[in-house]
Parts: sequence; C-alpha cells; structure tokens
Amino acid sequence: DTAVSQTPKYLVTQMGNDKSIKCEQNLGHDTMYWYKQDSKKFLKIMFSYNNKELIINETVPNRFSPKSPDKAHLNLHINSLELGDSAVYFCASSQDPLAGSTDTQYFGPGTRLTVL
Amino acid sequence: KNEVEQSPQNLTAQEGEFITINCSYSVGISALHWLQQHPGGGIVSLFMLSSGKKKHGRLIATINIQEKHSSLHITASHPRDSAVYICAVQGAQKLVFGQGTRLTINP
Repeated sequence: DTAVSQTPKYLVTQMGNDKSIKCEQNLGHDTMYWYKQDSKKFLKIMFSYNNKELIINETVPNRFSPKSPDKAHLNLHINSLELGDSAVYFCASSQDPLAGSTDTQYFGPGTRLTVL
Repeated sequence: KNEVEQSPQNLTAQEGEFITINCSYSVGISALHWLQQHPGGGIVSLFMLSSGKKKHGRLIATINIQEKHSSLHITASHPRDSAVYICAVQGAQKLVFGQGTRLTINP
C-alpha cells in the first residue's frame, strides 16, 4: 500500500516537448511538495501546496506548472523541456506546516527525467 | 555558502565501526530532519528533531540548537547502512537540504 506514488518512474523525451509527472498520496496529508534533485544529488524545493493552494514557489521557471486537483494529488507539468531539466523529481507530503507544527515528510519514489 | 553544510561528504568504513555524520546550519529553524537515500534512489525519513536526542535501533540523532549543529550516529554499522544521508532543516514552511554524505560500509 504505497503512501506516496509517482508516475512515471522514468521519462525520456526530446527537447521542446511538454510532459507531466503525476503524484498521489493516500496519507490524508494536507501539504504536498515537489523537489528537484540535480546531477550532484542536491535536493531543492520547487513548489508546495496546502489544501490545493500554492504556498511556495521557489524561483522556478514559468515552464513548470504544478496543478492540484484535490489535496491528495499534485501533478507537475513542464512545457518546452530543456536539457537542464534533466533530473530526478521527487514528490512528498506532510501534515499541515501552516498550523505551526512540523511533521515528517514522506517521499515518493522519484521520477527520473532525461531530456535529449 | 550553503545554509546547510554536512561533513564529511564521503565516508568509507568497515563493518562494525561507529559512524558520525555532522550537519551545521546557519538559519533559524523549527526542526531538523535526517533522511536516507538508498542506492536505488528512494528517500526515507529517519528522524525529525527540534531538541535533544532521538534513538531508533542503531541510529541516534542529536541536535544542539544554540550551536546550530546536529549529528547522526550509527552504531555497529553494517553494509546495508550504505546510502546517502541527508540533513534538512525546516525553515519557513520549507525544507532546505544539505548536500548529503555518501556512506559506504565494507564487509
């Protein structure tokens, strides 16, 4: 019973294409995140959503557009893919950090995106 | 300079050795997380702490808020502990990550 799932696991595509990565969590968490892990394995936050509302957007190009149809899903759509977008993208979820509490984050398995 | 610095970046040890990985940070935080990334890429949360010390099996995490420093210890290390260990600090609603420590335990 996977807590945080992502699809696809691997994505290979040509420069200039548009692609989406889907994320779903069945933990009943209020907050979901997208992280990017670059070739040096450094993780950085891209977005976070709380109850379908954007709360963090970390200077990510406009080509990246997160969409949260409900609080269990946070999908990442990327337009006009560039070589530099090649990375592993992780989705995660946690309880509500806006309530002033901190909570463990649960990570999805990652999606390895390769742009040719 | 990163807001979160880990040391060492790479660590190789023999099975059974006591392991220490350090994390220093320069920003105010509400909590600090230790994560483990397996060779296959999956990330697992090991600890979240805001003060003192936590223990889970052979793993111990400590934090000193005044000194802005945390350590992760592994006792009686085993080859299956080989992974990348990542320190992350919880700031304003987001995690900021260290660069990770690659640990290799040889049998």
